[in-house]
Amino acid sequence: DSGVTQTPKHLITATGQRVTLRCSPRSGDLSVYWYQQSLDQGLQFLIQYYNGEERAKGNILERFSAQQFPDLHSELNLSSLELGDSALYFCASSFGQEYNEQFFGPGTRLTVL
Amino acid sequence: DQQVKQNSPSLSVQEGRISILNCDYTNSMFDYFLWYKKYPAEGPTFMISISSIKDKNEDGRFTVFLNKSAKHLSLHIVPSQPGDSAVYFCAALGGFKTIFGAGTRLFVKA
Repeated sequence: DSGVTQTPKHLITATGQRVTLRCSPRSGDLSVYWYQQSLDQGLQFLIQYYNGEERAKGNILERFSAQQFPDLHSELNLSSLELGDSALYFCASSFGQEYNEQFFGPGTRLTVL
Repeated sequence: DQQVKQNSPSLSVQEGRISILNCDYTNSMFDYFLWYKKYPAEGPTFMISISSIKDKNEDGRFTVFLNKSAKHLSLHIVPSQPGDSAVYFCAALGGFKTIFGAGTRLFVKA
């Protein structure tokens, strides 16, 4: 158990809909990262927050947005969903901003029908 | 544009032998590297890391080697055990970006 929690575990929705994925980092960790893993693909870095502020951005679509709240939990919002958004979404946390090992949650499996 | 490549999608090794997992990167800004192991239905688990100021880091059965001039790193597992069967990802860090390779599936046969 990494100490990172993600909810929900599974999510099934329809094209055009909007969903919110939630992540609680390990106690004491200030950074939260979001990754997308499509079928048989590697992990694609989406975005990083550090202590409530956006720190780095990867290949995140404009339809996706995220935020980190004062209690350090984070939410990833996916809107106007398309079939290709079906994937595993992982959240990770670390203490620092960079050069830290990241601890991953179990992931949320999103299926868009 | 694949900045971090794991060219072997899978690797099969006999129990007790050495497993060597390879990773190549293209961007010189990367200066910290990590290896993660992933079992099905779980998130990746950190295994070992190496900074660009080193060329080797050991932790028990696991050793990571870094060749900066070749932009290549490798993870050695010796002796390999059936419980090591998983997907292994290398990751490169630099400029506040973390780039993962596509992963190599390791099968350790008993």
